[in-house]
Amino acid sequence: GAGVSQSPSNKVTEKGKDVELRCDPISGHTALYWYRQSLGQGLEFLIYFQGNSAPDKSGLPSDRFSAERTGGSVSTLTIQRTQQEDSAVYLCASSITGTSGSYEQYFGPGTRLTVT
Amino acid sequence: EDKVVQSPLSLVVHEGDTVTLNCSYEVTNFRSLLWYKQEKKAPTFLFMLTSSGIEKKSGRLSSILDKKELFSILNITATQTGDSAIYLCAGARDNYGQNFVFGPGTRLSVLP
Repeated sequence: GAGVSQSPSNKVTEKGKDVELRCDPISGHTALYWYRQSLGQGLEFLIYFQGNSAPDKSGLPSDRFSAERTGGSVSTLTIQRTQQEDSAVYLCASSITGTSGSYEQYFGPGTRLTVT
Repeated sequence: EDKVVQSPLSLVVHEGDTVTLNCSYEVTNFRSLLWYKQEKKAPTFLFMLTSSGIEKKSGRLSSILDKKELFSILNITATQTGDSAIYLCAGARDNYGQNFVFGPGTRLSVLP
């Protein structure tokens, strides 16, 4: 597609359930990022994938959070045993990475997660 | 620890006013500074600044970077209600790790 797509756009789940959020990056973009944005807050980095390298998971807030990127394209962010504090908008972004670092990121529309 | 600071955090103006949004950064291996506009969910790219002192313009928006003072400003002239948004500043690192450090954003509200 022309841009980064994410699904679902909205997700309401009960506390304790697992959720999966999907991100389809722009074709050809080797770098993929997940961010979280709580109400009124800035972007919080979660995880970064670059090509076939091991992902940078330094932003994941707990071991309930995990992410995969299959075939260097689609990524899935999984949150297990959701808690109310997980409620936020989860944004995915992709970028081209050149030899001198990453280029500007293109963001998807986000998934608004509400844990009740 | 790397950080990006934006000011003001919130700003209310009237249509036609000119605003200046500020961004200061402390980013290791700094390569460039980016500005985004976030209206609903997805931030949209505005500018990427790599060189000091060179102004970038897009319509009523302009931005400049000062790499000596580790500072950037985003100017919006003749503001319109459609400019109401959160403006995010991000520092990009020159490596393959977590490449971007985002500031908290400035929430701009333009009243008619």
